[in-house]
Amino acid sequence: GAGVSQSPSNKVTEKGKDVELRCDPISGHTALYWYRQSLGQGLEFLIYFQGNSAPDKSGLPSDRFSAERTGGSVSTLTIQRTQQEDSAVYLCASSLGTYPGNTIYFGEGSWLTVV
Amino acid sequence: DAKTTQPNSMESNEEEPVHLPCNHSTISGTDYIHWYRQLPSQGPEYVIHGLTSNVNNRMASLAIAEDRKSSTLILHRATLRDAAVYYCILRDMGSGGSNYKLTFGKGTLLTVNP
Repeated sequence: GAGVSQSPSNKVTEKGKDVELRCDPISGHTALYWYRQSLGQGLEFLIYFQGNSAPDKSGLPSDRFSAERTGGSVSTLTIQRTQQEDSAVYLCASSLGTYPGNTIYFGEGSWLTVV
Repeated sequence: DAKTTQPNSMESNEEEPVHLPCNHSTISGTDYIHWYRQLPSQGPEYVIHGLTSNVNNRMASLAIAEDRKSSTLILHRATLRDAAVYYCILRDMGSGGSNYKLTFGKGTLLTVNP
């Protein structure tokens, strides 16, 4: 597939457990983004990676959230000690670069439910 | 990022044109106007973008006011598949700032009636 791929597509976890969400960006895309969308809410920026530059972590809601991007490609978003308010769709996106004319492509999302 | 204002919701009938407005009165000369849409249970998808001139692509047209303080996304013949939330977003092409990310507002929920 040529699009942004995310896994798992659905995850139900118990409160207090750690979860990992994976994102495979479009091949050759240097910019990678994570967003979160809670039920009925807008999209909330979480973190941004661009090449070898330091990531912009300004949107991470707490220190339970972290993300890494290995080899400039695949990214993993980790949520430690999950809480019920973490239930949301986590969307990954990528783009060729950061020029504002570049299109940002989104994946289908990972639906996380914390029970 | 400069702010945009959109109606919360709009309705259209199938096969009729739809004009989705967006106000951005504080737009700067270096802001691109982007439109994305989000279909139910899917991630957002790119629709169109422009800077000063009107733009057309296979999905839609973008009409930009001469003073750039407003724009209109035009769907020429709405289909049921066009029912979605449409987001009008400004991205600064100037150096510095956080122009690399999209800042989503609440968008316009478009309902298409059969």
